Amino acid sequence: DTGVSQNPRHKITKRGQNVTFRCDPISEHNRLYWYRQTLGQGPEFLTYFQNEAQLEKSRLLSDRFSAERPKGSFSTLEIQRTEQGDSAMYLCASSLGPHAGELFFGEGSRLTVL
Amino acid sequence: QKEVEQNSGPLSVPEGAIASLNCTYSDRGSQSFFWYRQYSGKSPELIMFIYSNGDKEDGRFTAQLNKASQYVSLLIRDSQPSDSATYLCAVNPTGGGNKLTFGTGTQLKVEL
Repeated sequence: DTGVSQNPRHKITKRGQNVTFRCDPISEHNRLYWYRQTLGQGPEFLTYFQNEAQLEKSRLLSDRFSAERPKGSFSTLEIQRTEQGDSAMYLCASSLGPHAGELFFGEGSRLTVL
Repeated sequence: QKEVEQNSGPLSVPEGAIASLNCTYSDRGSQSFFWYRQYSGKSPELIMFIYSNGDKEDGRFTAQLNKASQYVSLLIRDSQPSDSATYLCAVNPTGGGNKLTFGTGTQLKVEL
């Protein structure tokens, strides 16, 4: 499978716990994005990497959220001290082309915070 | 005013008809516009993008852009039941760097 891979696909956690999601982009893609989507809404931008550098971060991303992309390959998104409002689908996307919007999305990691 | 607005639908069209999906955006300086399709329970997939005023055709899909009216649309000709999905309009806003702002999507139902 040469698409964007995300793990785990589902995560149920209790409020206050930490969770980490992993994204493996398409191998030749140097750009990687994290978006969040809730029911009935479009995806909402969280952060963007070009290679290993985190170049953009949404103001919506509180300090409980941190993302990394060591060595410019896979990326992780960690949420500390989860809250019920963090419940959402976390989507990773990658791209290679020069245009910001030509994204290939993974299947997402669904987070449920109890 | 929302940055990207779409009618949530559902928009119902009979099989074989033309489906017309509309989107307006608030940032007049936006330069690039995208349509994504999202099946229920799946992630979005890119259908088309358009950067210049006018029409852009790709198979049964036509994207139309009118920057003066801040309006972008997607036409689907010969609609098929497999086209039933939510269609998301996305805009790369002025100074938006590499982020996209998505609308809430329009649900399309193609009926037999």
